Amino acid sequence: AQKITQTQPGMFVQEKEAVTLDCTYDTSDPSYGLFWYKQPSSGEMIFLIYQGSYDQQNATEGRYSLNFQKARKSANLVISASQLGDSAMYFCAMTGKSGGSYIPTFGRGTSLIVHP
Amino acid sequence: KAGVTQTPRYLIKTRGQQVTLSCSPISGHRSVSWYQQTPGQGLQFLFEYFSETQRNKGNFPGRFSGRQFSNSRSEMNVSTLELGDSALYLCASSSIFQGNTEAFFGQGTRLTVV
Repeated sequence: AQKITQTQPGMFVQEKEAVTLDCTYDTSDPSYGLFWYKQPSSGEMIFLIYQGSYDQQNATEGRYSLNFQKARKSANLVISASQLGDSAMYFCAMTGKSGGSYIPTFGRGTSLIVHP
Repeated sequence: KAGVTQTPRYLIKTRGQQVTLSCSPISGHRSVSWYQQTPGQGLQFLFEYFSETQRNKGNFPGRFSGRQFSNSRSEMNVSTLELGDSALYLCASSSIFQGNTEAFFGQGTRLTVV
């Protein structure tokens, strides 16, 4: 079965500093995708970044980068130059086959608070 | 381009009743997935529809069902509501199914069962 683990329930960062949110995963499927989503208090999940299991380079999207370490099964999100608007819940997720079915799996999330 | 629209935004229902939630995906998207989000269980996958057919299903009881129409709009139904069904129900659309591509989420329907 697939599993996503986010060990940091809460993180605090000073505005303009960088922060890393941890994510480890487990799957027996060699083909999978890893995602990060942001969920502000309004409830909507906002896509941030995607990394495919066969991608050779780490994904980057503006201030977001994904530190993909396949051998360690980790997919940490790095947010550079944090902004007050980055305060939200962050979810790591993966897609792939699990027991013959395609089940998107989400972690429990990390609450990020950016201080001015 | 309009985003994913979920209606209603809030619902209060009594235990034992049934409820229907609606989701209109982004224009051109044919895959619609549904998720339940609770403080206790987190975000859990319910099912995915593509071209009016259920393609994948999570581990939820048969009280949870859905359907998709020819215009890709989807509905989710929960029958015989239980207190534990209180949750934020999120719908997501994408251009392909079972694909490693981003999904676009709606703002959700917050269901409270009393």
